[in-house]
Formats: sequence, structure tokens, C-alpha cells
Amino acid sequence: KQEVTQIPAALSVPEGENLVLNCSFTDSAIYNLQWFRQDPGKGLTSLLLIQSSQREQTSGRLNASLDKSSGRSTLYIAASQPGDSATYLCAVLGGNKLVFGAGTILRVKS
Amino acid sequence: ETGVTQSPTHLIKTRGQQVTLRCSSQSGHNTVSWYQQALGQGPQFIFQYYREEENGRGNFPPRFSGLQFPNYSSELNVNALELDDSALYLCASSPDRLLHNSPLHFGNGTRLTVT
Repeated sequence: KQEVTQIPAALSVPEGENLVLNCSFTDSAIYNLQWFRQDPGKGLTSLLLIQSSQREQTSGRLNASLDKSSGRSTLYIAASQPGDSATYLCAVLGGNKLVFGAGTILRVKS
Repeated sequence: ETGVTQSPTHLIKTRGQQVTLRCSSQSGHNTVSWYQQALGQGPQFIFQYYREEENGRGNFPPRFSGLQFPNYSSELNVNALELDDSALYLCASSPDRLLHNSPLHFGNGTRLTVT
């Protein structure tokens, strides 16, 4: 049974800092890994999708890496801004379902 | 392009009652998935529908059922509500049944409270 763990559970940083969110998964038989953002009481917004054959994906200030063999992914956020405050969720695709971690709650202080 | 829309946004029900949640998928998306997100947790897969047929189911009891219509909109029905059913219910759509190449597009969810 696939399990996804995200560390840390919560993170508070000053504006402008670079930061890394971590995601680990137990079963390396995945099709892709996705990072989502969730604002309080809202749905999920897709940030990045990394295919199992890829090592990383970049979008603006975001960079996600994938090491499938070790079951790890990181989301790097450069020059953080208060608008980046949200919950970040990692999910892996196995079969036709996403298995999610519990998320990292990020607060960027101005 | 209209995104995924869900209704209602909030709902309060009593234990034992039945509820129907609705979802309109994004234009051109023939695959709809439903997820349950309890407070402080990640979403959990309930089931997926593709062209009106159930196409995979998570670890949820039969009192959770669904439908997909010819226009690809979908309903989630929950019978005999229990207190633990209180959660945010998320609908997501995709143009890719296998979800390999396209991310899921999520709606804002329906917040269900069971008292």
C-alpha cells in the first residue's frame, strides 16, 4: 500500500527566503508525481507534474525534483513571498488514483 | 474556459440522512474523480468515472456511490451519513483517463458537516 509522507508539517519563514519542502513515498512504481497548492477552504491548484522518467520540472520560482528509486521528491521555492502562504500537497499516481501526503503548511512572513 | 464547479459549497446534514453532491467537469474533460479530505489530512480517493462508467474505487463503503452523465458532469451520493463523513469533498476532472500526462483539475469542494 502506497504511503506518502511530507516533512515538515508546518514551516514559517521570512519573506525572501529560499525554502525546500520534502515528500517521500514507499512504492516506487508510480506513473508521475504532482505538487499542488491549497488555500484555506479551497480546492487544489496543480503546480508541477513530474513524469516517472523525469528528474525535475520548473515553473517560475518553483522547482520540483524526483528521485524515484529512493522514493523522494523536493519542492524548492525561490525568493518566497507572503502570497506563497498556503498548504502544499505532494501526490503520486499509481493506477488511476492519486495518493496524497498530509501536506506542509507554509507561512511566509512579511 | 470554465473550470470545475461544485455545488453546494457548504452543507449541514444529520446523522443517518442522505446527501447528493454535484460537479460540473471542465470543458472537454471526460474523466471525473472524487476525493474526500478530512480536516488536516490529504485528500483520499473515493472513485473515478470515465464515460459514465465507474473506473476505479478507493477504500470506501458501498453507501458512497456516484453517477456520471452524458455531459460528463457527476454526482456523489452518500447514504446513512455518519459523523466521520464530515469533510471537504473534492471533484476533479481530466481529459486523460489514465491521468498520466495531465494533472487533475480540482473544484473548490463541498464542505459537508454531519451533526
